[in-house]
Amino acid sequence: AQSVTQLDSHVSVSEGTPVLLRCNYSSSYSPSLFWYVQHPNKGLQLLLKYTSAATLVKGINGFEAEFKKSETSFHLTKPSAHMSDAAEYFCVVSNSGYSTLTFGKGTMLLVSP
Amino acid sequence: EAGVVQSPRYKIIEKKQPVAFWCNPISGHNTLYWYRQNLGQGPELLIRYENEEAVDDSQLPKDRFSAERLKGVDSTLKIQPAELGDSAVYLCASSSPWTSGSNNEQFFGPGTRLTVL
Repeated sequence: AQSVTQLDSHVSVSEGTPVLLRCNYSSSYSPSLFWYVQHPNKGLQLLLKYTSAATLVKGINGFEAEFKKSETSFHLTKPSAHMSDAAEYFCVVSNSGYSTLTFGKGTMLLVSP
Repeated sequence: EAGVVQSPRYKIIEKKQPVAFWCNPISGHNTLYWYRQNLGQGPELLIRYENEEAVDDSQLPKDRFSAERLKGVDSTLKIQPAELGDSAVYLCASSSPWTSGSNNEQFFGPGTRLTVL
C-alpha cells in the first residue's frame, strides 16, 4: 500500500519570500513521487517528478523538491514566491508502472503582496 | 498540441437524474483515467482504460456509475441516478508509455464540476 500525507492544508507567504510545502510518503517499495499544481478552473499540471535518479529534483517555475528516504519526505520548495504561484499543490506517490497515482489532500498556497 | 478535453465544464442537476461526462484524450494516448475529486481532497481513481479495455475499475461504484471507451479514443462516464454525495469534480487524464520517456506521465483535463441538488 502507498500513501502521502501533506502536513499543511494551507500555507501563506508574502511575495518574494521562500515557499516550503511539506509531504511525507509511505510505500512498501521504492516509490516514484510527484508534485502537481492545480490553478482554479484549470487542469492539474505536473511540476516535477522523482524516479530514483537524482534526489534533488528541479521542476518548472523555479520549484524543486528533495527526496529524503531516511525521513520518508519529499518537500517542495521555491526560493522566492510569486503571486502567480497561488494555487493548490498535490504531492503524489505512484507505483512502479506509474499507472496508479495516490494523491495527498492538497496544500493551498496563498501569496500576499 | 491540444490537451485533454472534457465537457461539459459545469453541470447542475437534481438528485435521481442521470448525467454524463465526456472526455477526449491527447491524440495517441492509449491509457485513459477517470478520477473524482471531492471538495478539499485529492483526486481518486475511478477507472483506468488501456485502449478499449477497463483494466482497473475496482473503485467505480458499479450500482450507479458506468463508463465506456468504445473505440479506444474518447470516453464517457455516466451516473444514473445521481445522489447528493456525487457532487464533485470529475477529472479525465491520459497517458502513453511512448511519450515523456518511460515515466508514463498523466496529463489532466480541466474537469467537470458536478453539483447535485
